[in-house]
Amino acid sequence: EAGVVQSPRYKIIEKKQPVAFWCNPISGHNTLYWYRQNLGQGPELLIRYENEEAVDDSQLPKDRFSAERLKGVDSTLKIQPAELGDSAVYLCASSLFGTGKETQYFGPGTRLLVL
Amino acid sequence: DQQVKQNSPSLSVQEGRISILNCDYTNSMFDYFLWYKKYPAEGPTFLISISSIKDKNEDGRFTVFLNKSAKHLSLHIVPSQPGDSAVYFCAASGSSNTGKLIFGQGTTLQVKP
Repeated sequence: EAGVVQSPRYKIIEKKQPVAFWCNPISGHNTLYWYRQNLGQGPELLIRYENEEAVDDSQLPKDRFSAERLKGVDSTLKIQPAELGDSAVYLCASSLFGTGKETQYFGPGTRLLVL
Repeated sequence: DQQVKQNSPSLSVQEGRISILNCDYTNSMFDYFLWYKKYPAEGPTFLISISSIKDKNEDGRFTVFLNKSAKHLSLHIVPSQPGDSAVYFCAASGSSNTGKLIFGQGTTLQVKP
């Protein structure tokens, strides 16, 4: 069974530039999560989707971050414009449901460096 | 406000000995706890979980203990193996079933041959 796929794996951009990350969850998983992991910290939830609907985006900096999950499968997370403090690993995860009482399967992440 | 804390950034143990990783939480509404393991350049992978109705859950070499009164959980690895060297994160979710996991900062475990 294929796991969660993310691309690109690494991205280096200059500040004020836009950047986008793509995620393909495990087939059949209706819940998709985007996390951000800063250096030396644990992952922090940015947004959670159930199918196409964003059901928790309270931690998403909406002035510069946007996300979409078209057709309830793949998802894209965008930052525009990027700031130095956005340097982090962006992790995508998926699960069958969104109860928090089940395993969330993580992709390998996209490591973003903003110069 | 760090609701889930792993106060030991790193731990080093000898192969074959026990590894004990600790985690504290502050939110009494948390009722489900998980441990994830992370190797470099990979995403976290699920290891073991425990519901608040239990105080122990065991899976092979891995056992998680939950002390609700102390708001403390620990992960025991016995015996430790060099392949266990990784970063371990504890995570918690609440009774509202929102699906949101709150992660600790992680503990880097090194198992020496």
